[in-house]
Amino acid sequence: QVQLVQSGTEVKKPGASVNVSCRASGYIFATYGISWVRQAPGQGLEWMGWISVYNGNTNYAQKFQDRVTMTTDTFTNTAYMELRTLTSDDTAVYYCARGYRRLDYWGQGTLVTVSS
Amino acid sequence: DIVMSQSPLSSPVTLGQPASISCRSSQSLVHSDGNTYLSWLQQRPGQPPRLLLYKVSNRFSGVSDRFSGSGTGTDFTLKISRVEAEDVGIYYCVQATQIPYTFGQGTKLEIK
Repeated sequence: QVQLVQSGTEVKKPGASVNVSCRASGYIFATYGISWVRQAPGQGLEWMGWISVYNGNTNYAQKFQDRVTMTTDTFTNTAYMELRTLTSDDTAVYYCARGYRRLDYWGQGTLVTVSS
Repeated sequence: DIVMSQSPLSSPVTLGQPASISCRSSQSLVHSDGNTYLSWLQQRPGQPPRLLLYKVSNRFSGVSDRFSGSGTGTDFTLKISRVEAEDVGIYYCVQATQIPYTFGQGTKLEIK
């Protein structure tokens, strides 16, 4: 069955970077893109961008354009999302999801807390 | 950016009764390829979101047929024919027609 398993909780200081991983199994990794969505505590969902596993093309929300990098490793079937220059506003649960327009399977989420 | 507006934001429903959630977009969600990329997600307490419906009315694998979607252009509706206890959670519409993809604020479904 399709599974996306994300890395564990992170605590970071303001100004630092975080790298969240998302390991996929149960399907051919290169045939779907990976999207990233975040959810601040008690808030709604916010789309960050997606990456084509097939050719590495990315599409980032303008809000994160300067601070985010999404990559994939087809040898380990893992997607990565790096977010830099963190502030307290980046405290959220970060989700990976399979697909671009149809986010059909989701990871369990990774809590990133930014605090001094 | 396309703004997605859901109503109601909270919906207390009696078990076994129907429920309906509306989602409106600030512009048409019909893509140049002819598809309308409007999905509905369910997020149960403490869980990640789960896809229910995509392209307005297509039920995702394993989703109960109690869930149905309809609408065109800028107005969309999610209907639950008979609410069960496991349906408690927050429901989001999301558009993937235009980047950045955007979500509705969420509608909290609770049992009366």
